[in-house]
Amino acid sequence: EPEVTQTPSHQVTQMGQEVILRCVPISNHLYFYWYRQILGQKVEFLVSFYNNEISEKSEIFDDQFSVERPDGSNFTLKIRSTKLEDSAMYFCASSPQRGTVYNEQFFGPGTRLTVL
Amino acid sequence: SQKIEQNSEALNIQEGKTATLTCNYTNYSPAYLQWYRQDPGRGPVFLLLIRENEKEKRKERLKVTFDTTLKQSLFHITASQPADSATYLCAGPPDSGNTPLVFGKGTRLSVIA
Repeated sequence: EPEVTQTPSHQVTQMGQEVILRCVPISNHLYFYWYRQILGQKVEFLVSFYNNEISEKSEIFDDQFSVERPDGSNFTLKIRSTKLEDSAMYFCASSPQRGTVYNEQFFGPGTRLTVL
Repeated sequence: SQKIEQNSEALNIQEGKTATLTCNYTNYSPAYLQWYRQDPGRGPVFLLLIRENEKEKRKERLKVTFDTTLKQSLFHITASQPADSATYLCAGPPDSGNTPLVFGKGTRLSVIA
């Protein structure tokens, strides 16, 4: 069964460093998302991406964050200058072609980001 | 602003019994609600979706209800097993737009053998 994959599974970085989290969505899906989950808290939406551009973003997704689909398979989240409070699990998700009104999303296993 | 709330952080239940988890929503009327399972250190896995005009949905040992009067969805696992132990998340659409999901905090279910 196709699945969303994410690398790395765990990333440790120093405050102020740039990190890139990588995702390979399910191949025939057209909507892509990033969510994060701080330990013990809710899964929170960051950004959605469709047709090679951001379609929606939350207040969390400020200028420090960017997303890119550099080729036909990868979807990346970049944090330019990490802060301690960026430590969280970051989940990539994808959903099928437009017209799926009810928006079932398929999540990857997550990348645990630890900022020291 | 809209809220999706799962007021029970944890639920312990004996194997074989029915687990019932609650999701309440406030300040909006979602067109649907979804339920996900999340295991520790893993991403959410979609289980069931119920639309606002559906009273009940079933999938194997799972049943979801949607009560627009009570503004509540109930998630039931019948004949629960230790393997059902996980955190269960309720999610719904945003106030406007359709693509991101808004999640509740989840209820951690422990099924004791």
